[in-house]
Amino acid sequence: NAGVTQTPKFRILKIGQSMTLQCTQDMNHNYMYWYRQDPGMGLKLIYYSVGAGITDKGEVPNGYNVSRSTTEDFPLRLELAAPSQTSVYFCASSSRVFGEQYFGPGTRLTVT
Amino acid sequence: RKEVEQDPGPFNVPEGATVAFNCTYSNSASQSFFWYRQDCRKEPKLLMSVYSSGNEDGRFTAQLNRASQYISLLIRDSKLSDSATYLCVPEGGGSQGNLIFGKGTKLSVKP
Repeated sequence: NAGVTQTPKFRILKIGQSMTLQCTQDMNHNYMYWYRQDPGMGLKLIYYSVGAGITDKGEVPNGYNVSRSTTEDFPLRLELAAPSQTSVYFCASSSRVFGEQYFGPGTRLTVT
Repeated sequence: RKEVEQDPGPFNVPEGATVAFNCTYSNSASQSFFWYRQDCRKEPKLLMSVYSSGNEDGRFTAQLNRASQYISLLIRDSKLSDSATYLCVPEGGGSQGNLIFGKGTKLSVKP
């Protein structure tokens, strides 16, 4: 089992560019989450999904979009990147809604 | 009151020491609790789940006091590899029932 995988590991974007962060899990978990973590801070929930086709906003959804077409994949889309989106992005999954979550290794994004 | 409050530390302890972290939570309806560890520049990793009054796993013991809304993590015989930030995470702590991952408590174990 690979668990939760994320790509890319690192990315530098220019202001106004867009990109998709990929997240895949092989644990057959229905629930998946996207968080961001700024330096020295805790994780903030961006979006979450309770199953294929169902997503909902978390605390900080502005500037992001998600989709969930399969159980395994939960990509996060950044449109019109801004410096404020410079952060580390973690994807997680769980077998119960907001239960124990298992995290991917993260994507470090810099917007300049 | 914040959803979760932890002493940010850092706790600097010698190898072999016993160290305890405390955590208070505000949502009295939380039934389950998780301790995660996060190494510098890495993802949080689940250390322990606590569903009743406590849990023990090797050198790690978690104790829960629901009346005081307080949970602790005890690490015995500290190893250098225990150096990390420890996050106390109550289930249902957030406004949407989501988990709240705060800044945690930083532990540094020295030789």
